[in-house]
This record gives sequence, structure tokens and C-alpha cells, in this order.
Amino acid sequence: EVQLVQSGAEVKKPGESLRISCKGSGYSFTSYWISWVRQMPGKGLEWMGRIDPSDSYTNYSPSFQGHVTISADKSISTAYLQWSSLKASDTAMYYCARHIVVVVAAGDNWFDPWGQGTLVTVSS
Amino acid sequence: DIQMTQSPSSLSASVGDRVTITCRASQSISSYLNWYQQKPGKAPKLLIYAASSLQSGVPSRFSGSGSGTDFTLTISSLQPEDFATYYCQQSYSTPPTFGPGTKVDIK
Repeated sequence: EVQLVQSGAEVKKPGESLRISCKGSGYSFTSYWISWVRQMPGKGLEWMGRIDPSDSYTNYSPSFQGHVTISADKSISTAYLQWSSLKASDTAMYYCARHIVVVVAAGDNWFDPWGQGTLVTVSS
Repeated sequence: DIQMTQSPSSLSASVGDRVTITCRASQSISSYLNWYQQKPGKAPKLLIYAASSLQSGVPSRFSGSGSGTDFTLTISSLQPEDFATYYCQQSYSTPPTFGPGTKVDIK
């Protein structure tokens, strides 16, 4: 079974750093991108960025560029999302998803499956 | 960025009803449109990819259609487990963007 398992909920203070993880299993981890998606409380889905675990090439949404860092360790089939200085506005559920790409230059791509989510709460 | 809109934002329906949700893109996206279902407290789940292809394991009462800027998700006979929020997502260009969601609840 293809699965993405994320790390547990976090409670942090503004200004603190954080790294959350997403471990893939049941498939070749380096054959598919991993994307991260934010869902703020009661809101919709926002794509943050993605990584190709085979070469660690990353691509970020302009809305998140410079505020988060996506990385991966292919030796342990794990992708990461990290912040160097959290803000209260980072409070949200964060999902990783396997980003299936049929043709890189075209639009044949989608997210499946998704991790169970990691709730990040930032409060003083 | 390509903007996605959905209508209605919410609807109330009964078990057995036929339900149609509409998604519109701010520019043509060919058939590069995906649909997801999200139940409360759960992660989204892929239902339809490339506008009309049913993801493996998804019941056949779900179907998708459309191309260009206008797309629809249809549930032919609503079941109790289908009460959820549905999101469309364009994959035509980066960044991929989602619609605001359509909440389907029990009448």
C-alpha cells in the first residue's frame, strides 16, 4: 500500500524554528515528487511547493518562497518542510502529497495519496 | 496564477439525489483539472484526474467532465459517505491552484 506518514502535531512560539516530516512507503520514493499543501483553520487548500527526491530540485509557490524550505533524504524516503522563524499566521494543517507527474512539460499531474496532515500551532 | 472558482459554495441534498458541482478557471486549462474529496478532520482524497478519469477505487457514481474553462463533478446518486467538501484543482500551470471548495451536507 502506498502511504505517506507525517510527523505529529507541534505547538511552537513565534520566532521558533520547526521541521516536520513526511515518510513515504509502498513505492519508489525517488520516482515521484512530493508536494506540501497548507490548510489554514476553516479554509481551503494552498500549494506551497514541491521537491523531486531523486535530485532534491525544488519549486516554490511565490506566496511561500523564502518563508519555508522543502528538503528530502532519499536514503530514508522522507521529505521535510521547515521554518526558521515561525509566525502566528503559520498556524495551520500541513499536508504532504505524492505529486504524480505523467508528462513534466504538460499539465498531466495530480496529488495522490496525501499524508494524514500535521497540525502546527504557533502561539505565544 | 490561475484563479479557480466553484459553485455553489455549499449545498444541501438528500441520499439518492443527483448532485452537480461546477468549477471555472480564469483562463483555459485544457483538461488539466482534478477533483478531491475532503471529509472533516481528514486529508483530501483524489477522485477524478485529467477532468474525467476516475481514480482507481473511487465509486462509479462519481464522474467529471469539461474542458477549457468550465468543468463539472457529478455524483449520480448521493450516498451517506459522500457528505464532504469537494475541491477542484488546476494542474495546467505552476503554481497549481485549488478552488475554494463546495460543502455538501445533509438536507
